[in-house]
This record gives sequence, C-alpha cells and structure tokens, in this order.
Amino acid sequence: DAKTTQPNSMESNEEEPVHLPCNHSTISGTDYIHWYRQLPSQGPEYVIHGLTSNVNNRMASLAIAEDRKSSTLILHRATLRDAAVYYCILRDYETGNQFYFGTGTSLTVIP
Amino acid sequence: GAGVSQSPRYKVAKRGQDVALRCDPISGHVSLFWYQQALGQGPEFLTYFQNEAQLDKSGLPSDRFFAERPEGSVSTLKIQRTQQEDSAVYLCASSRQGESGYTFGSGTRLTVV
Repeated sequence: DAKTTQPNSMESNEEEPVHLPCNHSTISGTDYIHWYRQLPSQGPEYVIHGLTSNVNNRMASLAIAEDRKSSTLILHRATLRDAAVYYCILRDYETGNQFYFGTGTSLTVIP
Repeated sequence: GAGVSQSPRYKVAKRGQDVALRCDPISGHVSLFWYQQALGQGPEFLTYFQNEAQLDKSGLPSDRFFAERPEGSVSTLKIQRTQQEDSAVYLCASSRQGESGYTFGSGTRLTVV
C-alpha cells in the first residue's frame, strides 16, 4: 500500500479551524483516502474518506488536491474534544482489506 | 450491542503464560480485523476475517499468535508463551460487507511482566 506523510504534531486554538495535511505522492488510481482519529485510551474512530472529490460530513471536510498527491482534513471549529491523533490512510479496494496506519498527527487544542 | 466490545480491558500476564483476548463485533458485521498498537505507534494489522474465514493472517508476528472466529461472530486472539515484546494494545474492528469505514473497539491492553 502507498505510504502517507503527516506532521508529527500540530496545535490549534479552540473554536478556530484546523487544517491537517497529508502527503501521498505515490497514491494509485484505486486508492481511497481515509481519515481516522484516536482519542486517548480509545480505539480509532472513522472521520471521513474520499476518492477524488472533496467530501463533507458532520465531523469534518476532506479537501483532495487535483493530482491526488495530497489531501487536507479540515475541522471547521476545533473543540477540546477534538484533541486526538489523526491518521491519514490509503486503502486500495481492489487489493487491500486492511488499513496501514502511520504514526499520525497529534493535535493539541488550546483553550 | 451498539459498538465493538473487547474483553478484558486490561490483562497482565507473566512471561510464558498463554492469553486469550475476546472481540464481540457489531451484530451483522461480516468483516473483522485485529490490530496491534505499541506505545506511541499507530495500529499495525494482524489478521482479517470475513465471516468465519480467515482471509489474511499476514500480519501475525509469529506462530505464537493465533486467531479464530468459528461461528462468524465472536473472535478470539490467542497468544501463546507471551513475551515482553507482546505488550501492546490489541484492537478489534468490524464492518459490514463493502462498507468503507470500520468501527473499532477500545482495545485490550496487554502487559507482559
């Protein structure tokens, strides 16, 4: 599976938007981009996924670059409960049944 | 139940002891996955079931690790002759057939002393 690169950590002020970047320069045409987050002492939680077009749901938005070599998870108004490790993952539906997590981005939200 | 349930929540084992970790997936979820998460690292894939069939066990680190799902619902991950390097959180996830997102349990934290 193609690899992703994320910053190790980021900080955001409460109630401000947060843009979490992810690079995936070796993405293939059949790779979907998934985002999960993991709060302390919990299992990962699905956030959002997409293929080519930008996606929105109640938790976040996913902006995908036109060449698909990068993407950005957008939290529109960070809250203290959004403090977590965010994982950007590529999943090939044709060949892969599992997710390959990296080390993710640890997001700190400052009150 | 409403979510994926894992038990026990915490397990302390003496080196050399056998352990069994249980996962109750969401009812009706066909796919079931086990992951291992070392401290400060992301989860690493261990094995995957579709119903009772174990379709991928490429991530199991050694032949001391064994997983089963005999009736296509509850799954058990067994670790024989535990070693200190087995200390980690073991996560179980499930999903419906063809569903893109997984639901994870809270994990079992295994400490081998």
